[in-house]
Amino acid sequence: DAKTTQPTSMDCAEGRAANLPCNHSTISGNEYVYWYRQIHSQGPQYIIHGLKNNETNEMASLIITEDRKSSTLILPHATLRDTAVYYCIVRPLIQGAQKLVFGQGTRLTINP
Amino acid sequence: KAGVTQTPRYLIKTRGQQVTLSCSPISGHRSVSWYQQTPGQGLQFLFEYFSETQRNKGNFPGRFSGRQFSNSRSEMNVSTLELGDSALYLCASSLSSLGETQYFGPGTRLLVL
Repeated sequence: DAKTTQPTSMDCAEGRAANLPCNHSTISGNEYVYWYRQIHSQGPQYIIHGLKNNETNEMASLIITEDRKSSTLILPHATLRDTAVYYCIVRPLIQGAQKLVFGQGTRLTINP
Repeated sequence: KAGVTQTPRYLIKTRGQQVTLSCSPISGHRSVSWYQQTPGQGLQFLFEYFSETQRNKGNFPGRFSGRQFSNSRSEMNVSTLELGDSALYLCASSLSSLGETQYFGPGTRLLVL
């Protein structure tokens, strides 16, 4: 699985957009970028995923660079409840690829 | 749809004992994966079951085992517990074993004394 690099921690003011970067320079053509978050001591929550096009859902937007070597997760209007550890994961969509490899993630703190 | 459920939520055991944790996947999901989360090692993959067969296994000793039933519910067992087995054990389900999105349960927190 491709390795990802994320900043250890970030801060964001409540109501502002939170932009979380992820570097995945060794990503393969068949690998997707997934984002999960984990609020303290809870199970990871799926946020969004994409292959090469930008994606948006009710939780967030995912911007993937044209060369696919990096991506940014955007929480458009951060709230205090968005304080969590955010994990960027790359994985192929193929049989037997259910193993998710979690890095250390980014600890995002939303400040009032 | 109900999410992934895990029982029990909290468990205290002593060294040498064994423990069985249960996971019920989202209705219609046939793949169940297990993960261990500790402060030192982070989130690590244990194994995955699909159609009652183990499809993938992480780098854990044989004391960690699992199984899946015909209704897709899964159990994992840890025998001869060690202090280092204290962790949050997470279960995730997905539609199949084709790499689809996995959805996690709340976890079972195991404390070994």
